[in-house]
Amino acid sequence: DIHMTQSPSTLSASVGDRVTITCRASQSISLWLAWYQQKPGRAPKLLIFDASTLESGVPSRFSGSGSGTEFTLTISSLQPDDFATYYCQHYKTFPCTFGQGTKLQIK
Amino acid sequence: QVQLQESGPGLVEPSETLSLTCSVSGDSISSYYWSWIRRPPGRALEWIGFMYHNGPTNYNPSLKSRVTFSGDTSKNQLSLRLSSVIAADTAVYYCARARGSGSYFDYWGQGILVTVSS
Repeated sequence: DIHMTQSPSTLSASVGDRVTITCRASQSISLWLAWYQQKPGRAPKLLIFDASTLESGVPSRFSGSGSGTEFTLTISSLQPDDFATYYCQHYKTFPCTFGQGTKLQIK
Repeated sequence: QVQLQESGPGLVEPSETLSLTCSVSGDSISSYYWSWIRRPPGRALEWIGFMYHNGPTNYNPSLKSRVTFSGDTSKNQLSLRLSSVIAADTAVYYCARARGSGSYFDYWGQGILVTVSS
């Protein structure tokens, strides 16, 4: 199985900050990567697919980049609604696997 | 607006079969691929498998021997059965819609916590 590693596990930031979350794959996954946002008790929400394509309705302050084994999710200017846990997922091969999550909390 | 809602018992005894239902609204289960995904406490999300109604299924090899997916188009519901459960099967279970086989997930349910314990 391809192993996905996210860093950091926890990130403290303030409203207005620019933040970056990293996701590394144990082998190349080309561009087959998605990012999700989840808030407690809520369904995960798809933010980005194919490494950099923004899902319809997702604010443009979210962006994704990378290819191969290293990927980043960037929030250009944090808003109060963005404090949540973020997950990456590869879908290069079966089984797809997820990162362990990055909790973004208020500083 | 596609909505998914998981339901089922929150407590299952070891060695028994876990059975969950996912009620889908806003889309037909005859379209798209559907998945079950779980998150054990303190661990990463784990994909359980994909299904396409009356079509192929693809299960995670780590669970393949114990998992069965099915669908009921008359109720627009998906079902998951996981047999011979152990404590390590304790998790929040999610159903989700996939954009294709072996793809990402564009709609998820809120999840249901299932605890395996006597």
